[in-house]
Parts: sequence; structure tokens; C-alpha cells
Amino acid sequence: AQKITQTQPGMFVQEKEAVTLDCTYDTSDPSYGLFWYKQPSSGEMIFLIYQGSYDQQNATEGRYSLNFQKARKSANLVISASQLGDSAMYFCAMRELTRDDKIIFGKGTRLHILP
Amino acid sequence: GAVVSQHPSWVICKSGTSVKIECRSLDFQATTMFWYRQFPKQSLMLMATSNEGSKATYEQGVEKDKFLINHASLTLSTLTVTSAHPEDSSFYICSANLAGRSYEQYFGPGTRLTVT
Repeated sequence: AQKITQTQPGMFVQEKEAVTLDCTYDTSDPSYGLFWYKQPSSGEMIFLIYQGSYDQQNATEGRYSLNFQKARKSANLVISASQLGDSAMYFCAMRELTRDDKIIFGKGTRLHILP
Repeated sequence: GAVVSQHPSWVICKSGTSVKIECRSLDFQATTMFWYRQFPKQSLMLMATSNEGSKATYEQGVEKDKFLINHASLTLSTLTVTSAHPEDSSFYICSANLAGRSYEQYFGPGTRLTVT
């Protein structure tokens, strides 16, 4: 069974609009971490934001925020005021902290920002 | 932030030959490194976990005799693709943990392997 599910293979958003990228996860580990990475066409993985399972508040990093709904096992990424440079592949990922250190990735969402 | 490098950034090799990819943590020690492969337009698939001074742990379905991993020091892990075939052509990415800070994982820039 998939541990990380990203249901949006692709999205088109007008520049300056906010965009939400969906991510749901599945784990029985009470201690876990959730990540979002951006991968532009160059291939490098750029860390965007992290949310720990015990964190009380939703994580924010500049224009990025993570809408963490623990009961729903949902960790959507919100990008405010989108820019052309936000066009890239976005991956949601999870690490189960009491099991091991490996990060498992979802299939990704390709975001296209339109001018 | 911490930096992870990979060498080479791209490589073309003939079918049947072996190719070695290096992953280095430049300004920190990494007891654990991870190797991923990524096919075009697909996600990162974890291949193996590389632990310094011990054998790598391979994910199900990954041939350990084909993808040799050596983690000889706290700053270097190598992945050797032995007897490469065209289906091994892929983007290989390594990552490393900052010791004691499991929420921080740093990725290398990746190595694009093309087997002709």
C-alpha cells in the first residue's frame, strides 16, 4: 500500500494566485515527519518545509505553509502568491522516526505557473 | 545549510561496463546515506540505506550484487553499477542525514547515467 499519496499529477495555476498541493499519508508510527521537496528541471531536490507529528502548529517557511491535519493524515502544501519560478515538480515525503531514517516519497505533482 | 556533492554529474558508459558514483558530505559527517533512483517523470525510489562501517540495507527488489554500495568513511558513500545495461539508465540521487537531527536530510545534485 502506498504510504504517501499525491492525487494531483499536474496543476496549472495563474501567477500570483495561491496554490494547494495535496498529500495524504499512511502510517501506524506515532512519531513521524513530513516533508515537501521541490524538484526543478535541473533535478536537484530542494527542501521546502518540514512538519513533525508532534508539532502543535502548522509549519511555515516564507511563502510555503503546511496544512497539517493529523486526524485526516493530510499534509497539504500551500504556496501563497505563486511565481513563475515555482513551476517544478513537488514531492511530499515521510519519515517514520521510530522505524528507520529513510524518507519515502509520493509520486509528485507537476506545477505549472501561468503568466 | 549542509552540502552534499555527487560525482560525476553525468556519465555515459557502454553496456557491460561498471560505473562508480560518489556521494560526499562536504561539511558534516553522515553516518547514514541513502541512494535513490529516479526514472523520467517518476518519483524517487529508495534503493538502499548506506551505513558507515557496515553493510548497506537494500530495499526489496534491488539487486545488491548489481548495485554495490560502500560507505567507507563518514563523508563518502559510493554506488557502483556493475555490468550496466540500458535499463539501468536513470537519475541517481544520494542524500545524507545530519547526525542527531533526523528531520534534516540533504540531497546531492544527482548523477544522470546513460548506458548505451
